[in-house]
Amino acid sequence: GDSVTQMEGPVTLSEEAFLTINCTYTATGYPSLFWYVQYPGEGLQLLLKATKADDKGSNKGFEATYRKETTSFHLEKGSVQVSDSAVYFCALKVGNNDMRFGAGTRLTVKP
Amino acid sequence: DAGVTQSPTHLIKTRGQQVTLRCSPKSGHDTVSWYQQALGQGPQFIFQYYEEEERQRGNFPDRFSGHQFPNYSSELNVNALLLGDSALYLCASSLRRTSSNQPQHFGDGTRLSIL
Repeated sequence: GDSVTQMEGPVTLSEEAFLTINCTYTATGYPSLFWYVQYPGEGLQLLLKATKADDKGSNKGFEATYRKETTSFHLEKGSVQVSDSAVYFCALKVGNNDMRFGAGTRLTVKP
Repeated sequence: DAGVTQSPTHLIKTRGQQVTLRCSPKSGHDTVSWYQQALGQGPQFIFQYYEEEERQRGNFPDRFSGHQFPNYSSELNVNALLLGDSALYLCASSLRRTSSNQPQHFGDGTRLSIL
Protein backbone atom coordinates (compact mmCIF):
# COMPACT_ATOMS: atom_id res chain seq x y z
CA GLY A 1 0.00 0.00 0.00
CA ASP A 2 0.88 3.66 -0.09
CA SER A 3 3.33 4.69 2.60
CA VAL A 4 5.88 7.28 3.65
CA THR A 5 9.17 6.72 5.47
CA GLN A 6 10.96 9.69 6.96
CA MET A 7 14.17 10.23 8.83
CA GLU A 8 13.91 9.43 12.50
CA GLY A 9 14.65 12.16 14.96
CA PRO A 10 15.13 13.95 17.02
CA VAL A 11 17.29 16.41 15.13
CA THR A 12 19.10 19.13 17.05
CA LEU A 13 20.79 22.00 15.21
CA SER A 14 22.32 25.32 16.05
CA GLU A 15 20.73 28.48 14.69
CA GLU A 16 21.71 29.22 11.06
CA ALA A 17 22.68 25.58 10.40
CA PHE A 18 21.57 23.72 7.25
CA LEU A 19 18.62 21.37 7.62
CA THR A 20 17.79 18.20 5.71
CA ILE A 21 15.01 15.80 6.68
CA ASN A 22 14.82 12.77 4.42
CA CYS A 23 11.53 11.39 3.13
CA THR A 24 10.88 8.50 0.76
CA TYR A 25 7.57 7.11 -0.41
CA THR A 26 5.85 4.10 -1.93
CA ALA A 27 2.70 4.65 -3.95
CA THR A 28 0.63 2.61 -6.38
CA GLY A 29 -0.68 5.65 -8.23
CA TYR A 30 0.62 9.14 -8.92
CA PRO A 31 0.77 10.88 -5.54
CA SER A 32 1.01 14.46 -4.51
CA LEU A 33 3.58 15.00 -1.77
CA PHE A 34 3.43 17.33 1.21
CA TRP A 35 5.32 18.54 4.22
CA TYR A 36 3.30 19.51 7.27
CA VAL A 37 4.59 21.15 10.46
CA GLN A 38 3.17 20.72 13.95
CA TYR A 39 3.99 23.15 16.73
CA PRO A 40 3.44 22.12 20.37
CA GLY A 41 -0.23 21.86 21.26
CA GLU A 42 -1.40 22.59 17.74
CA GLY A 43 -2.69 20.74 14.69
CA LEU A 44 -0.95 20.26 11.38
CA GLN A 45 -0.09 23.18 9.15
CA LEU A 46 0.73 22.71 5.49
CA LEU A 47 4.30 23.83 4.89
CA LEU A 48 4.69 23.04 1.18
CA LYS A 49 3.50 20.72 -1.54
CA ALA A 50 4.41 19.27 -4.95
CA THR A 51 1.90 17.61 -7.22
CA LYS A 52 4.06 16.08 -9.96
CA ALA A 53 7.57 14.85 -10.64
CA ASP A 54 10.33 17.49 -10.63
CA ASP A 55 8.05 20.09 -8.97
CA LYS A 56 9.71 22.07 -6.21
CA GLY A 57 7.58 23.18 -3.29
CA SER A 58 8.82 26.11 -1.22
CA ASN A 59 7.63 28.22 1.69
CA LYS A 60 9.25 30.25 4.50
CA GLY A 61 12.76 29.29 3.29
CA PHE A 62 11.95 25.55 3.23
CA GLU A 63 12.19 23.61 -0.04
CA ALA A 64 11.51 20.07 -1.25
CA THR A 65 11.74 18.58 -4.75
CA TYR A 66 9.55 15.71 -5.96
CA ARG A 67 12.03 13.10 -7.24
CA LYS A 68 10.20 10.27 -8.97
CA GLU A 69 13.38 8.40 -9.88
CA THR A 70 14.41 8.09 -6.23
CA THR A 71 10.84 8.25 -4.81
CA SER A 72 11.97 10.99 -2.47
CA PHE A 73 10.81 14.38 -1.20
CA HIS A 74 13.54 15.61 1.15
CA LEU A 75 12.94 18.80 3.14
CA GLU A 76 15.73 21.39 3.22
CA LYS A 77 16.37 24.82 4.69
CA GLY A 78 19.56 26.76 4.34
CA SER A 79 19.55 28.54 7.68
CA VAL A 80 17.25 27.41 10.48
CA GLN A 81 15.92 29.63 13.25
CA VAL A 82 14.85 28.86 16.80
CA SER A 83 11.26 29.45 15.68
CA ASP A 84 11.56 26.47 13.28
CA SER A 85 11.59 24.08 16.25
CA ALA A 86 8.62 21.76 15.68
CA VAL A 87 7.69 18.31 14.41
CA TYR A 88 7.76 17.86 10.63
CA PHE A 89 5.64 15.29 8.79
CA CYS A 90 6.05 14.07 5.25
CA ALA A 91 2.80 12.93 3.63
CA LEU A 92 1.35 11.69 0.37
CA LYS A 93 -2.11 11.60 -1.20
CA VAL A 94 -3.36 9.77 -4.26
CA GLY A 95 -6.52 11.21 -5.75
CA ASN A 96 -9.26 11.50 -3.15
CA ASN A 97 -7.80 8.77 -0.95
CA ASP A 98 -6.78 9.49 2.63
CA MET A 99 -3.46 11.13 3.41
CA ARG A 100 -0.60 8.87 4.49
CA PHE A 101 1.88 10.34 6.94
CA GLY A 102 5.38 9.50 8.06
CA ALA A 103 6.14 9.11 11.76
CA GLY A 104 7.38 12.68 12.07
CA THR A 105 10.78 14.22 12.79
CA ARG A 106 11.23 16.47 15.81
CA LEU A 107 13.53 19.42 15.14
CA THR A 108 15.06 21.47 17.92
CA VAL A 109 17.05 24.57 17.02
CA LYS A 110 19.30 26.01 19.72
CA PRO A 111 20.39 29.67 19.85
CA ASP B 1 -12.62 32.96 6.96
CA ALA B 2 -12.87 30.37 9.73
CA GLY B 3 -10.62 27.37 9.45
CA VAL B 4 -11.36 23.89 10.76
CA THR B 5 -12.62 24.06 14.33
CA GLN B 6 -12.77 21.18 16.78
CA SER B 7 -14.32 20.78 20.21
CA PRO B 8 -13.59 20.15 22.94
CA THR B 9 -9.88 20.95 23.13
CA HIS B 10 -9.19 18.44 25.87
CA LEU B 11 -11.19 15.57 27.31
CA ILE B 12 -10.60 13.06 30.08
CA LYS B 13 -12.56 9.82 30.20
CA THR B 14 -12.30 6.46 31.94
CA ARG B 15 -12.13 3.02 30.38
CA GLY B 16 -15.44 1.71 29.10
CA GLN B 17 -16.99 5.14 28.66
CA GLN B 18 -18.15 6.66 25.39
CA VAL B 19 -17.02 9.94 23.85
CA THR B 20 -18.18 12.29 21.08
CA LEU B 21 -15.82 14.72 19.36
CA ARG B 22 -17.00 17.48 17.06
CA CYS B 23 -15.64 19.19 13.97
CA SER B 24 -16.71 22.10 11.80
CA PRO B 25 -14.99 22.16 8.42
CA LYS B 26 -13.37 25.16 6.81
CA SER B 27 -15.93 27.41 5.17
CA GLY B 28 -16.76 26.09 1.69
CA HIS B 29 -15.54 22.55 2.35
CA ASP B 30 -17.85 19.53 2.12
CA THR B 31 -15.64 16.58 3.07
CA VAL B 32 -14.42 15.73 6.54
CA SER B 33 -11.74 13.19 7.49
CA TRP B 34 -10.76 12.06 10.97
CA TYR B 35 -7.29 10.98 12.08
CA GLN B 36 -5.85 9.56 15.30
CA GLN B 37 -2.39 10.73 16.32
CA ALA B 38 -0.82 8.75 19.13
CA LEU B 39 2.00 10.38 21.07
CA GLY B 40 5.20 10.49 19.02
CA GLN B 41 3.58 9.12 15.88
CA GLY B 42 2.11 10.37 12.64
CA PRO B 43 -1.65 10.70 12.12
CA GLN B 44 -3.51 7.51 11.19
CA PHE B 45 -6.65 7.72 9.03
CA ILE B 46 -9.90 6.69 10.73
CA PHE B 47 -12.59 7.53 8.16
CA GLN B 48 -13.91 10.13 5.75
CA TYR B 49 -17.41 11.56 5.34
CA TYR B 50 -18.93 13.14 2.26
CA GLU B 51 -22.62 13.81 1.56
CA GLU B 52 -23.42 12.46 5.04
CA GLU B 53 -22.03 9.03 4.26
CA GLU B 54 -18.85 7.24 5.26
CA ARG B 55 -16.81 7.00 2.05
CA GLN B 56 -13.51 5.53 3.20
CA ARG B 57 -12.38 3.80 6.35
CA GLY B 58 -9.00 3.00 7.79
CA ASN B 59 -8.03 0.06 9.96
CA PHE B 60 -10.06 0.97 13.04
CA PRO B 61 -12.62 -1.19 14.88
CA ASP B 62 -16.37 -0.64 14.81
CA ARG B 63 -16.11 1.08 18.19
CA PHE B 64 -15.17 4.12 16.11
CA SER B 65 -18.16 5.58 14.30
CA GLY B 66 -19.07 8.92 12.85
CA HIS B 67 -21.68 11.14 11.41
CA GLN B 68 -21.87 14.08 9.06
CA PHE B 69 -24.65 16.64 9.23
CA PRO B 70 -26.32 18.59 6.40
CA ASN B 71 -24.18 21.64 7.28
CA TYR B 72 -21.06 19.45 6.66
CA SER B 73 -20.01 19.38 10.31
CA SER B 74 -19.09 16.00 11.70
CA GLU B 75 -18.88 13.95 14.87
CA LEU B 76 -16.56 11.14 15.84
CA ASN B 77 -17.90 8.67 18.40
CA VAL B 78 -15.82 6.13 20.26
CA ASN B 79 -17.49 3.47 22.41
CA ALA B 80 -16.06 1.24 25.11
CA LEU B 81 -12.95 3.36 25.49
CA LEU B 82 -9.61 1.65 25.99
CA LEU B 83 -6.40 3.05 27.42
CA GLY B 84 -4.93 2.78 23.92
CA ASP B 85 -7.50 5.26 22.60
CA SER B 86 -5.59 8.06 24.34
CA ALA B 87 -4.42 10.29 21.50
CA LEU B 88 -4.85 13.56 19.65
CA TYR B 89 -7.83 13.31 17.31
CA LEU B 90 -7.51 15.50 14.24
CA CYS B 91 -10.22 16.59 11.86
CA ALA B 92 -9.36 17.63 8.30
CA SER B 93 -11.59 19.13 5.64
CA SER B 94 -11.51 19.59 1.88
CA LEU B 95 -13.77 20.38 -1.09
CA ARG B 96 -14.29 17.09 -2.88
CA ARG B 97 -14.56 18.33 -6.47
CA THR B 98 -11.18 20.06 -6.24
CA SER B 99 -9.46 17.91 -3.63
CA SER B 100 -7.92 15.24 -5.83
CA ASN B 101 -4.22 15.17 -4.96
CA GLN B 102 -4.65 18.37 -2.93
CA PRO B 103 -3.83 18.88 0.76
CA GLN B 104 -6.35 18.74 3.54
CA HIS B 105 -6.84 21.52 6.07
CA PHE B 106 -6.45 20.42 9.68
CA GLY B 107 -7.92 21.63 12.95
CA ASP B 108 -5.95 21.87 16.18
CA GLY B 109 -7.34 18.58 17.43
CA THR B 110 -8.96 17.18 20.54
CA ARG B 111 -6.61 15.69 23.12
CA LEU B 112 -8.36 12.61 24.60
CA SER B 113 -6.93 11.05 27.73
CA ILE B 114 -8.24 7.73 29.05
CA LEU B 115 -7.68 6.93 32.72
